Amino acid sequence: ETGVTQSPTHLIKTRGQQVTLRCSSQSGHNTVSWYQQALGQGPQFIFQYYREEENGRGNFPPRFSGLQFPNYSSELNVNALELNDSALYLCASSLARGSDTGELFFGEGSRLTVL
Amino acid sequence: AQSVAQPEDQVNVAEGNPLTVKCTYSVSGNPYLFWYVQYPNRGLQFLLKYITGDNLVKGSYGFEAEFNKSQTSFHLKKPSALVSDSALYFCAVRDGGKLIFGQGTELSVKP
Repeated sequence: ETGVTQSPTHLIKTRGQQVTLRCSSQSGHNTVSWYQQALGQGPQFIFQYYREEENGRGNFPPRFSGLQFPNYSSELNVNALELNDSALYLCASSLARGSDTGELFFGEGSRLTVL
Repeated sequence: AQSVAQPEDQVNVAEGNPLTVKCTYSVSGNPYLFWYVQYPNRGLQFLLKYITGDNLVKGSYGFEAEFNKSQTSFHLKKPSALVSDSALYFCAVRDGGKLIFGQGTELSVKP
């Protein structure tokens, strides 16, 4: 157990809808990263939040957005869902932005299916 | 740009035999390398990392990895495989504050 919790665990949406995924980071961690893992692929970096500010973004369109709250929990929002947004969305927390250990602690993920 | 490659989609070994899961990397500067394991419908679990120092890194569940700078490799190894080691294994390299993952290698250990 990493102490990183994500909700919901599974959800089904239709094309064009919007979705919000939530993540509570491990106690003491102030950095949260989000990854998308499509079926049969490795996780792809979406973005990272450090002290409530976006700190780095991968190659994802603006309809992917996020928030980090003062308690370091985070949300991932995806607007105008497309079929290829179907994936496992992973949240990871770490002690500090670009920490020397580099180790990330992952939650169990939210599996999104877009029909 | 930093990248890692896992040349094998699947590795099959018999229980009790040694296992190796391969990873090669391409980085500018000194690499920070990681191995993670993913069980079905679960998140990723950290196994081990190489930052600096000894080329042989020991990690969780009896796994170890050998860093080879001349071959730009970071292969995951275990002397004696268990059926419970069957899972998806990812090699990753740190790029700034994020990790870049390989495509993954499915390890199947048969009794």
